[in-house]
Amino acid sequence: DIQMTQSPSSLSASVRDRVTITCRASQSVSSYLNWYQQKPGKAPKLLIYAASSLQSGVPSRFSGSGSGTDFTLTISSLQPEDFATYYCQQSNRTPYTFGQGTKLEIK
Amino acid sequence: QVQLQESGPGLVKPSQTLSLTCTISGGSITSGDYHWSWIRQPPGKGLEWIGYIYFSGSTYYNPSLESRITISSDTSKNQFSLKLSSVTAADTAVYYCARVSSSSWVFFDYWSQGTRVTVSS
Repeated sequence: DIQMTQSPSSLSASVRDRVTITCRASQSVSSYLNWYQQKPGKAPKLLIYAASSLQSGVPSRFSGSGSGTDFTLTISSLQPEDFATYYCQQSNRTPYTFGQGTKLEIK
Repeated sequence: QVQLQESGPGLVKPSQTLSLTCTISGGSITSGDYHWSWIRQPPGKGLEWIGYIYFSGSTYYNPSLESRITISSDTSKNQFSLKLSSVTAADTAVYYCARVSSSSWVFFDYWSQGTRVTVSS
């Protein structure tokens, strides 16, 4: 299985901060890397697919980059509704696997 | 707008079989551009992909669970189902069904709200 490792596991930030979350794959996943946002008690929501493509309806302050084994999710200016847990997920090979999550909290 | 809704018992006894059904609305399970997955999330933990079914009926399961899983579909009802046998407390989780877009890139674009299943006697 491809292991996905996110860093940091948790992060405190303030509204209007720029935040970056990283995701590393144990082997190359090409650009088959997706990012999801999950709020407590809710299902995950797709933000970014194919490493850098913004899902329809997702604010442009979210962006993704990377290929191969190293990826980043950037939120350019944090809004109150962005405090949540973020997961990366590879879809290059089955079994599809997720990172352990990054919990973004208000400072 | 695609919507997914799970149904099934919220409490299952150890060693029994967990059974859940996902009903799709606003889209067709027979669309060739998608496959249909189950994902679970133990309390306070991360996400684990369980497996998927394609409109043709072909399936792929996570090897970590493969010996206990069956995913099937009923195209007449626009539903797909999960059976997980010989459950233990470790199978306690929120279970989600999701659509997997697979025409070029592969990603989970629509999710159900999730159903909590507890394994306990």
